[in-house]
Amino acid sequence: QQQVKQSPQSLIVQKGGISIINCAYENTAFDYFPWYQQFPGKGPALLIAIRPDVSEKKEGRFTISFNKSAKQFSLHIMDSQPGDSATYFCAASSWGGKLIFGQGTELSVKP
Amino acid sequence: DSGVTQTPKHLITATGQRVTLRCSPRSGDLSVYWYQQSLDQGLQFLIQYYNGEERAKGNILERFSAQQFPDLHSELNLSSLELGDSALYFCASSVVPLQGNTGELFFGEGSRLTVL
Repeated sequence: QQQVKQSPQSLIVQKGGISIINCAYENTAFDYFPWYQQFPGKGPALLIAIRPDVSEKKEGRFTISFNKSAKQFSLHIMDSQPGDSATYFCAASSWGGKLIFGQGTELSVKP
Repeated sequence: DSGVTQTPKHLITATGQRVTLRCSPRSGDLSVYWYQQSLDQGLQFLIQYYNGEERAKGNILERFSAQQFPDLHSELNLSSLELGDSALYFCASSVVPLQGNTGELFFGEGSRLTVL
């Protein structure tokens, strides 16, 4: 029940395309859903986050879509660029709880 | 630069040995988290401390222990090391423990442990 399942494991997108990464959770107590971006040799860094009281949040080219009834959320990267090539982790936590991460998606954006 | 410092960056040791990983959180952050990252397990939460006290525990083995000192730095001790303990160990910090819809974890660059 504490798991966050993420797919796909890897993703190859052409420059200018849309990258979509999906996550699903079981624990209805989760109320904070961030996405972290990790470049090789670096630690993960917060990219964007959403609360369950909104269905979408957009920051620049990055958008989180949230479906509370389906217990799913996804990250959309519009106009994907080679500089977006990184590993992306979805995560979830409940009030005062630990942050549980998905398995990660390795994104490669081809020029 | 996240402001979180981890040492050492790389560590190679043998099975059965014991190592200590050190983490200095961002200035002002009271909460420290330890995560293990391996290829097949992703980012696994190990343990969290807040202002010197253990706050939450994850999938941390009994061979592993951690503590947070009065100056807020933290150490993760790994003993009786096995080949499967080879991984990247990340420390992260936050101002306060994550509270639902707020909070950002700031990660260090990790300590890569190789057990031969």
